[in-house]
Amino acid sequence: KQEVTQIPAALSVPEGENLVLNCSFTDSAIYNLQWFRQDPGKGLTSLLLIQSSQREQTSGRLNASLDKSSGRSTLYIAASQPGDSATYLCAVRDNQGGKLIFGQGTELSVKP
Amino acid sequence: NAGVMQNPRHLVRRRGQEARLRCSPMKGHSHVYWYRQLPEEGLKFMVYLQKENIIDESGMPKERFSAEFPKEGPSILRIQQVVRGDSAAYFCASFRGEISYNEQFFGPGTRLTVL
Repeated sequence: KQEVTQIPAALSVPEGENLVLNCSFTDSAIYNLQWFRQDPGKGLTSLLLIQSSQREQTSGRLNASLDKSSGRSTLYIAASQPGDSATYLCAVRDNQGGKLIFGQGTELSVKP
Repeated sequence: NAGVMQNPRHLVRRRGQEARLRCSPMKGHSHVYWYRQLPEEGLKFMVYLQKENIIDESGMPKERFSAEFPKEGPSILRIQQVVRGDSAAYFCASFRGEISYNEQFFGPGTRLTVL
């Protein structure tokens, strides 16, 4: 059974700092991995999607990597800003029906 | 091209009533997933539907919950005789097909509160 774990559960950093969020999964049989952002009481905003054959994806200040063989992904945020404060969710798309399996999230707070 | 639409955005029900949540997928998408986010918990898969077919309902509670995706109209998640533990945010996501690489697009969610 696929399990997704995100570390740390919460993170507080000063503005301008570079940071890394971690995601691990137990079964490497995935179609892709996706990083989302969720603001309190709101829906999901897709940040980056990495296909299983890819190693990384970049969008602006965000860079996500995928090492399928070791079951790990990282989300790197450069030059963090207070507007980056949110919960970041990692999800893998399993190859048994294609549902997304989510981690518990990392709650990020960027202090001005 | 409108995104995934869900209504209502907020729904309040008393214990024992029925809740109907609607999801209109993106244009051209014929596959829908429903997920539930309980307070202080992560998002969990509930059910996967294609038009007129339930493909995977392994995440659905065995009683009181049902889902459909008719040939015409939105997908419906129905909860009968709601209890306080059903209070959660319910999200649907749609995609075009070809599971292996197509992205799921999420709706804004329906927040159900059971009094």
